[in-house]
Amino acid sequence: DIQMTQSPSSLSASVGDRVTITCRASQDINNYLAWFQQKPGKAPKSLIYAASTLQSGVPSKFSGSRSGTYFTLTISSLQPEDFATYYCQQYTNYPLTFGGGTKVEIK
Amino acid sequence: EVQVVESGGDLVQPGGSLRLSCAASGFTFSDHDMDWVRQAPGKGLEWVGRIRNKANTYTTQYAASVKGRFTISRDDSKNSLFLQMNSLTTEDTAVYHCARVNLNYVTDYLGQGTLVTVSS
Repeated sequence: DIQMTQSPSSLSASVGDRVTITCRASQDINNYLAWFQQKPGKAPKSLIYAASTLQSGVPSKFSGSRSGTYFTLTISSLQPEDFATYYCQQYTNYPLTFGGGTKVEIK
Repeated sequence: EVQVVESGGDLVQPGGSLRLSCAASGFTFSDHDMDWVRQAPGKGLEWVGRIRNKANTYTTQYAASVKGRFTISRDDSKNSLFLQMNSLTTEDTAVYHCARVNLNYVTDYLGQGTLVTVSS
């Protein structure tokens, strides 16, 4: 199985900060990487697929990139509605696997 | 508007069985692969399995943790997805989310989920 190692597991940031979350795949997954946002008690929401393609309706403050087996999710200017837990997921091979999550909290 | 709504969650004893349902609307259900994803209390997301569409002969794939115990099925005539869960253990306690897979093979919509509690 492909392991997805996400870091950090949590971070504290202020409104307006630039935030970066990293996900490392245990083997080459090409660009088959998605990012999800989950708020407490809510369904996960798809943000990005194919490493850097925004889902329809997702604001451009979110961006994704890839360097080899390392993937990053960047929020350019953190807003109150962005405080949530973020997950990466690889979808190149079965079983699909998620990272452990990054909880973004208010500083 | 795409909607997927899960039902059927309940309290069940270890060793028991349960069948979850997912009602889909707002898209052509038969065109899409569908996933189940679960989340244990206070834990992260775990992919459970996938059922392909008719064009892909309804092929199924499962996580190792549920293979042989869980079965995913669908009824395209009723826009419905199912998860039959047998031989349940306390480790299966989780919120189970139904999810649509888009035509780029990415999960793009997940439902609110239904809670399954396995306890004696």
